[in-house]
This record gives sequence, C-alpha cells and structure tokens, in this order.
Amino acid sequence: DADVTQTPRNRITKTGKRIMLECSQTKGHDRMYWYRQDPGLGLRLIYYSFDVKDINKGEISDGYSVSRQAQAKFSLSLESAIPNQTALYFCATSPRTVSYNEQFFGPGTRLTVL
Amino acid sequence: AQSVTQLDSQVPVFEEAPVELRCNYSSSVSVYLFWYVQYPNQGLQLLLKYLSGSTLVKGINGFEAEFNKSQTSFHLRKPSVHISDTAEYFCAVTLNTGFQKLVFGTGTRLLVSP
Repeated sequence: DADVTQTPRNRITKTGKRIMLECSQTKGHDRMYWYRQDPGLGLRLIYYSFDVKDINKGEISDGYSVSRQAQAKFSLSLESAIPNQTALYFCATSPRTVSYNEQFFGPGTRLTVL
Repeated sequence: AQSVTQLDSQVPVFEEAPVELRCNYSSSVSVYLFWYVQYPNQGLQLLLKYLSGSTLVKGINGFEAEFNKSQTSFHLRKPSVHISDTAEYFCAVTLNTGFQKLVFGTGTRLLVSP
C-alpha cells in the first residue's frame, strides 16, 4: 500500500534539459514537501505546500520550481538541469491536524544529470 | 533556528551486539524529536518520536531512544542488532511552537556484520 508514490523512480537526463518529478498521495494530507538527499548532507528542504494555493520556498529552492495541481499531487521541476542537481529526491506529506509535523515519505527518485 | 548533529557518519557493529546512535540538537525552545530509518533503495520510515511525557520512547523493530533535555540529546539504542538493521538512520527535530519545518541531521549509517 504505497500511500506516497513518486514517478519516475530513476531518471537520467542531460545538462540543460527540463524535467519533472511527480508525487501523489492517498493519505489525505494537506501538507506536502520536496527534499533532496545528498551523501553526508542529510535531507534538505526544497519547497513545501500547505494546500493548492499556499506554496513556500525551503532552504535550497534555487533552480527548482513546484506545482500543486491538487491536494494529492505535488510536482517538482528542474527548468534547466545541471550536474550538481544529481541527487535522491523525496516527496513527503504530513497532516494539518497534528502540531508536530510528523512526515510520511515516498520511495524517492534517483536523478542523474550528465 | 533549530539544528541537529549526528556525530557518527558510520557505525559498524557485529550482529547481536548492542548499538547506540547519537543525536544532539540545538534549540532555545521546546522541541519534538524523531528518528527515521532508510533501508537501501527505500524512503524514510518513522522509527519513533518524542512529543512529551516519558523521556524513554520505544519504537518499532526493538529500538528505543531517550530524551535528555539537560544534554540536548536524543540517542537511539538497540540492545541486540540484526543484519536486517543495516540502514541509514536520521535524527530530526522540529520546534514545539505551531507549524515548524522538520530539520534533519546528516545521518548515521549502521553496518551490521555477522
């Protein structure tokens, strides 16, 4: 029962290409997040969204954009991919009804930019 | 702003031995604390969380953690590890004041060998 799904799971692209990573959830959560994971750096927040009309930048939003198409869908775009965007990308969700921001993660998308 | 330090990037241990993964946080206000586990090629899964109350928190798969406010620590322990515990473990913190972003440590890779 994959409550948070990400597509694609793996993607290889070339410098300068535009790509989109997609996230869908069936948990009914309002809040959604995009993170990137790099070895030795942990997870860093790219963007987060409280609902379809409320999108916020995280600590490393430069070079990325997002779209919240519906409560259940949150997409991350790289307008012009560069090699240092090679990383593992995670989508996460959390319910608005709890105060402590426990998050639920998708399986990740491994992106390689050549 | 809050921060998390995981001093050990890698912890090797033999099967059935005890293990402790260290986590220290920095915050001037009350916090919520989490431990997540990432098995190979998977997303992050919540192991346990500290919200309030008892400082000893029990989680899944036999793990437990102790919140120590005076030492600002939240170390993760397991009395006897299995090969299947080989994974990366992330400590995370969020402030106890309304919605706050989750801040992750850099992770500790637990390597269990026979």
